Amino acid sequence: DAGVIQSPRHEVTEMGQEVTLRCKPISGHDYLFWYRQTMMRGLELLIYFNNNVPIDDSGMPEDRFSAKMPNASFSTLKIQPSEPRDSAVYFCASSNAQARVNGYTFGSGTRLTVV
Amino acid sequence: AQSVTQLGSHVSVSEGALVLLRCNYSSSVPPYLFWYVQYPNQGLQLLLKYTSAATLVKGINGFEAEFKKSETSFHLTKPSAHMSDAAEYFCAVSHTGGFKTIFGAGTRLFVKA
Repeated sequence: DAGVIQSPRHEVTEMGQEVTLRCKPISGHDYLFWYRQTMMRGLELLIYFNNNVPIDDSGMPEDRFSAKMPNASFSTLKIQPSEPRDSAVYFCASSNAQARVNGYTFGSGTRLTVV
Repeated sequence: AQSVTQLGSHVSVSEGALVLLRCNYSSSVPPYLFWYVQYPNQGLQLLLKYTSAATLVKGINGFEAEFKKSETSFHLTKPSAHMSDAAEYFCAVSHTGGFKTIFGAGTRLFVKA
């Protein structure tokens, strides 16, 4: 298995632009998580899906952030409009139904810089 | 509510020395606990996990962790540090109310030659 695949690896955008981050989970995993990592706040869970349905989006910072999972093999995290404070590394992770016990498999992340 | 506290944001050891990274958890029920490792510019990788089967858990790369309920601790150790162990290490606990995992702030391990 190729693991959790995220694209792009790096994204530099100007403030006010729309940014879309993409994630392909491991085949057969029915849980998908989006995390944000910053020096100040560490790893923050933004949202997670089960069987393509959003279960908990309480970590999404504000309405500028949205996430979708149109099918079992693809998810997007969109920021519109982007702001400099959104600069961070965004990770996608996936797991099977035993996520609580087995832990997650993380992608390599997308480093977002908003200038 | 579950939480984890990692003592020390930075730990420095000499190559060949004992590695000890500290983690204390808070949980009202028996927890599931994890250690993850993050190498530079990479995602987190599961190092080991505690799921109540055994209190001493062995993971990859020679690391192990011991669950001590009386101390609410889950410290990570390795008898002899290697240069390749330099990375950031995260302790984590599963949230019993769902499938969220709560991560500690991380401890960066430096290994000196």
